Amino acid sequence: EVHLVQSGGEIKAPGESLRISCQGSGFDFSDYWIGWVRHLPGKGLELMGLIFPDDSDTRYSPSFQGQVTMSADKSTSTAYLHWSSLKASDSGIYYCTRQMRGNYFDPWGQGTLVTVSA
Amino acid sequence: HSALAQPASVSGSLGQSITISCTGSSDDIGTWPYVSWYQRHPGKGPQVIIYDVSSRPSGISDRFSGFKSGNTASLTISGLRAEDEADYFCSSYSTSITYVFGAGTKVTVL
Repeated sequence: EVHLVQSGGEIKAPGESLRISCQGSGFDFSDYWIGWVRHLPGKGLELMGLIFPDDSDTRYSPSFQGQVTMSADKSTSTAYLHWSSLKASDSGIYYCTRQMRGNYFDPWGQGTLVTVSA
Repeated sequence: HSALAQPASVSGSLGQSITISCTGSSDDIGTWPYVSWYQRHPGKGPQVIIYDVSSRPSGISDRFSGFKSGNTASLTISGLRAEDEADYFCSSYSTSITYVFGAGTKVTVL
């Protein structure tokens, strides 16, 4: 069965760094684009960007370019999302998901809640 | 860019049908046949229920159906059940930012 399992929730202070993870199983992780999607309280979902684990080709959505860094380790079927300096406005739920050939996303991870507060 | 516009909430009684609208633009829904819908229960990740406007993945009930006309897509849930109470998000491929999502609609089953 195809799964994406994300790391647990995090509570951080503004200015701290953070890396969250997403491990895939049940499929060839290297051969699919993996996306990170943000859900802020009261707002819709936003695609932050996509990474292709086989060669780490990365496509950032304009709003997130320079704000986060996506990476992947195909040997462990794991994708990562990294912040170098968190802001309170980064608080939200972050999902990883697999982009299917047919231009939709399936499956999704369970989500990682990130709370940034002084 | 603007997110796709969805009603904040829709409600219906058990057994009824409801429809959720999703309005975009000529950059996304109006041009591309790649509209998808996702169901999200509290504490869980979203699950695709419709892709390519009206196709259902294996295992998804035929009570869920999708449609598109112009810049607006819609999701209809027929024969409402208690387990349909969830958040629903639409998405479309977009010329400008690859994929755009809706703000989400909370479905309440009365």
